[in-house]
Amino acid sequence: AQSVTQLDSHVSVSEGTPVLLRCNYSSSYSPSLFWYVQHPNKGLQLLLKYTSAATLVKGINGFEAEFKKSETSFHLTKPSAHMSDAAEYFCVVSDPGGGNKLTFGTGTQLKVEL
Amino acid sequence: DGGITQSPKYLFRKEGQNVTLSCEQNLNHDAMYWYRQDPGQGLRLIYYSQIVNDFQKGDIAEGYSVSREKKESFPLTVTSAQKNPTAFYLCASSPGPYNEQFFGPGTRLTVL
Repeated sequence: AQSVTQLDSHVSVSEGTPVLLRCNYSSSYSPSLFWYVQHPNKGLQLLLKYTSAATLVKGINGFEAEFKKSETSFHLTKPSAHMSDAAEYFCVVSDPGGGNKLTFGTGTQLKVEL
Repeated sequence: DGGITQSPKYLFRKEGQNVTLSCEQNLNHDAMYWYRQDPGQGLRLIYYSQIVNDFQKGDIAEGYSVSREKKESFPLTVTSAQKNPTAFYLCASSPGPYNEQFFGPGTRLTVL
């Protein structure tokens, strides 16, 4: 079985400061990992994905994440927050052997203040 | 313009009525998925289909039904047997295993 734990349900930062959203995973397989972003009443947009290539993954809008197998972590970072980054972020693990079923974390709400 | 469309955006239903949510994709993806989203719970898988005329139950299939008669379409019916149907419903598609899923804009269903 696979699972995802997002360690913070809410994160608040000031505009221009770094963002860190934490995610730990558990998987019996060599996992594929994703970060998605959701703005209010919208669908989910893929930020980045890890699929066993480089451990440091760069995504859209300046976000990146580092896969650390020893720590079973896949934390999302951004050097400088922008007001438009305020949204909910989901860490997701994929089970490719089970129809590519995704297991979602419960989400982290990011607030960006002036 | 490629993508996934869901309709309607908002849907209201009286208790005891069945209702069907539409999901269409023109990405030529084999796999399609339905999720339910409730506040503070992330997304939960209702049904998924890896190929036309075949589908499997997800984690919370009770009270829902689907069909996959065409590659581009995967409608979801919320039946009167679903005890708490008010939620945000998201459809997704994927070219296959090891690939990300692409999401539609969602349908918000409210039971009155």
